[in-house]
This record gives sequence, structure tokens and C-alpha cells, in this order.
Amino acid sequence: GAVVSQHPSWVICKSGTSVKIECRSLDFQATTMFWYRQFPKQSLMLMATSNEGSKATYEQGVEKDKFLINHASLTLSTLTVTSAHPEDSSFYICSAPPQGVDGYTFGSGTRLTVV
Amino acid sequence: DQQVKQNSPSLSVQEGRISILNCDYTNSMFDYFLWYKKYPAEGPTFLISISSIKDKNEDGRFTVFLNKSAKHLSLHIVPSQPGDSAVYFCAARGNAGNMLTFGGGTRLMVKP
Repeated sequence: GAVVSQHPSWVICKSGTSVKIECRSLDFQATTMFWYRQFPKQSLMLMATSNEGSKATYEQGVEKDKFLINHASLTLSTLTVTSAHPEDSSFYICSAPPQGVDGYTFGSGTRLTVV
Repeated sequence: DQQVKQNSPSLSVQEGRISILNCDYTNSMFDYFLWYKKYPAEGPTFLISISSIKDKNEDGRFTVFLNKSAKHLSLHIVPSQPGDSAVYFCAARGNAGNMLTFGGGTRLMVKP
């Protein structure tokens, strides 16, 4: 089935620094990638949708200057958390739309801790 | 405005018995529903889905029921196994885009 590889799995960074999270579609081309954030014991909340070759679409309340999304190719989408603060600490997950009967494919997630 | 709700944050079931996880939605434009299983610090794993034109879909131990008039769906797991213990999310897709809206999740604990 379709596989989305997400890196890094976890990262600890200092306040004020930037962190880049990558999601790669390994055996298919993804023109769209969804980025979610999950706080502890809460649901997955859609942050933005990246589109290959065009600007990302951000959900209401998500700062586009803080969460930079780039869809550089048909197999790579990146989320950069700029000038990270402790409140940005969360679990970030990417997802590609259905490639078949198996539904949406999710990356393994990135646990970001800002200290 | 929470369009997809899972009102039970947790559920405890004895091994071998049936687990029933419920999900309610408010948006009548949702046309596709999915259930995911998730462990901490991992991405969700797809379990089963159902289109809005159906009322039941079965795959092995997992069955999803959809009641469109009540805007309610449920996931039945039978027989439940200890390895089923995880957080289960229902998700819905609207026909205006491909993104999913998730419920808050239900933590299932299957006791041996």
C-alpha cells in the first residue's frame, strides 16, 4: 500500500529556533498533503493543506508565517515551525489523500518539544 | 463548532466481547467516513471506511454502521482482543474538499 515517510520522529529544540518536518510519499505521487497537529489527549486538528506547485491553504487561526509549508515536488512536502515557542510543542502528522481502498495514508508523526 | 464528536472518551471491554465505539456528526455534506486506530506518538492506522450511500461495511472483526438520518456511525469490534487497546478516531470527509475532520477519539481498553 501507499506509504508516507515522516522525519524526524521527534525533535527537541530551543525557543526561537526553527524546525523542519518532512513528509515523503515513497511509492506514489502526492499533489496534496494535509498537515495535522495533535495536542495531548486531543483530536487531530487540520492545520493546512499543501499543494504541489502552488501556495498552501491554511485553516482559520493557523499563522502562515509561523508554520511555513512547502510542497517542493510530487513526493515531498515540508512543514517548518519558525521561531518555535513552548506552546508549539505538539505532535505533528502529515497525511496524503486516498490512493486506493486503504483510505488516507498518514506519516508516523513528529513529536516536537520546544524548551 | 465540533462537526464530528465522539462522546465517550474511554471504553473498557472484556476480551472476547464486543466493543462498540460511537461517533456523531453534524455536517450533512460529509460523504465518506473512516475509522482509525492510533497509538501514542504514532500516526493513525486506517481500519475501515464507509461511503454515505451505504449503511454497513464489514472487514473481518470490524464492522462500521452508518445511520444517515441520525447522523451517527459506530464501529463494532468482535471479538475484542487485548491488542485492540488503543485510541480510536472517527473521521469524516466533506464533498467540498479532500480533508478529513476528526472526532475527539475514544480510548479502548480490552482486558484479558
